[in-house]
Amino acid sequence: GAVVSQHPSRVICKSGTSVKIECRSLDFQATTMFWYRQFPKQSLMLMATSNEGSKATYEQGVEKDKFLINHASLTLSTLTVTSAHPEDSSFYICSALESLGGYEQYFGPGTRLTVT
Amino acid sequence: GDSVTQMEGPVTLSEEAFLTINCTYTATGYPSLFWYVQYPGEGLQLLLKATKADDKGSNKGFEATYRKETTSFHLEKGSVQVSDSAVYFCALSETGGYNKLIFGAGTRLAVHP
Repeated sequence: GAVVSQHPSRVICKSGTSVKIECRSLDFQATTMFWYRQFPKQSLMLMATSNEGSKATYEQGVEKDKFLINHASLTLSTLTVTSAHPEDSSFYICSALESLGGYEQYFGPGTRLTVT
Repeated sequence: GDSVTQMEGPVTLSEEAFLTINCTYTATGYPSLFWYVQYPGEGLQLLLKATKADDKGSNKGFEATYRKETTSFHLEKGSVQVSDSAVYFCALSETGGYNKLIFGAGTRLAVHP
């Protein structure tokens, strides 16, 4: 099946710094990618939908100036957490929409962000 | 708004036991329903799906039936294996899965020999 990677898998950063997380579709092109956030023992919550070549669409309550999304190519979307705070610590998961085989989302393994 | 509720885990079973993980949903329309599985260190993978009432999704011995009358999509397997140990997520989408997915909290399954 289609493969989606995320980098890094884990990152620790200091409060006030910015962190970039990459999401890549390795063997297919994805015009649409999604970014989810998962709190411990809770479900994945969609943060934003990323479309190649256009601005991301953010879910209600997600600060777009804090969570910057760039989908510059058909295989890469990035999420930058700006001016990170401890409450941003979470598990971030991306998915990429494969449209040729029937519109299935393929998920990356996730990135654990810890802000100290 | 739409939501998904699934049974809390962890669920611990012996090999060859019968598995049921309950999932119920709330939706304004007629959503598609999904079960995803996440093995340790890997991304979520689609296990099965159903797009309309009374549809049965099945894969790898797992089954789930879309029950509109009870708004449920319970996951079942007749005989689990150690390799089935993973976290299982129930989800719905109002747009067939090519847009927003709404997930349940996930249920961890541990199968012992």
